[in-house]
Amino acid sequence: QSALTQPRSVSGSPGQSVTISCTGTSSDVGGYNYVSWYQQHPGKAPKLMIYDVSKRPSGVPDRFSGSKSGNTASLTISGLQADDEAGYYCCSYAPTYSFPYVFGTGTEVTVL
Amino acid sequence: EVQLVQSGAEVKKPGESLRISCKGFGDSFSNYWIGWVRQMPGKGLEWMGLIYFRDSETKYSPSFQGQVTISADKSISTAYVQWGSLRASDTAMYYCVGAVHGNTWFDPWGQGTLVTVSS
Repeated sequence: QSALTQPRSVSGSPGQSVTISCTGTSSDVGGYNYVSWYQQHPGKAPKLMIYDVSKRPSGVPDRFSGSKSGNTASLTISGLQADDEAGYYCCSYAPTYSFPYVFGTGTEVTVL
Repeated sequence: EVQLVQSGAEVKKPGESLRISCKGFGDSFSNYWIGWVRQMPGKGLEWMGLIYFRDSETKYSPSFQGQVTISADKSISTAYVQWGSLRASDTAMYYCVGAVHGNTWFDPWGQGTLVTVSS
């Protein structure tokens, strides 16, 4: 039951798009459409941004979108803004593991 | 709107015991799972465990099994995590998170409880 693999960091200029990958296995990301994404600003609690791979909670801008292909889920931030600079974590449901959820390693997004 | 409010920061010595809490406001929590997440300084999020308020069914992440005890008092909508003997390596921010039974995402999150263990 290893952490899902995310790039350590990604960066982009304001207005650009960035994509964060989250790679697992067929027992977690690839096996179920239950990937969620969380944004964490420094010193703050994480915040839900995407659930069930591609659904946005109320209040989350539509600049944030999620997708999945095979064992890799992705979070795309379009029209990058300064406030998007934060840490991002994916989380997958994994019911066959001894504990049914696994986080990704986390990605720092830098707005240049 | 559902809200989770955690107890305040703690400073403890190695070997001491500790229990921190997470109280739910605004909804009936009997149908909620409450999870505990550790974040060590400068590091990522780690699952510690989950508890279902309705019947106190508990699941532990293998790394935390036997290291902490998760419990809940549904009469006051409060979940707990406790340590019997703290170590310096337990220094971290601890978050509680909520999920409606049947959902596979976590929202809301508590504000976090910073635990510092130092001699």
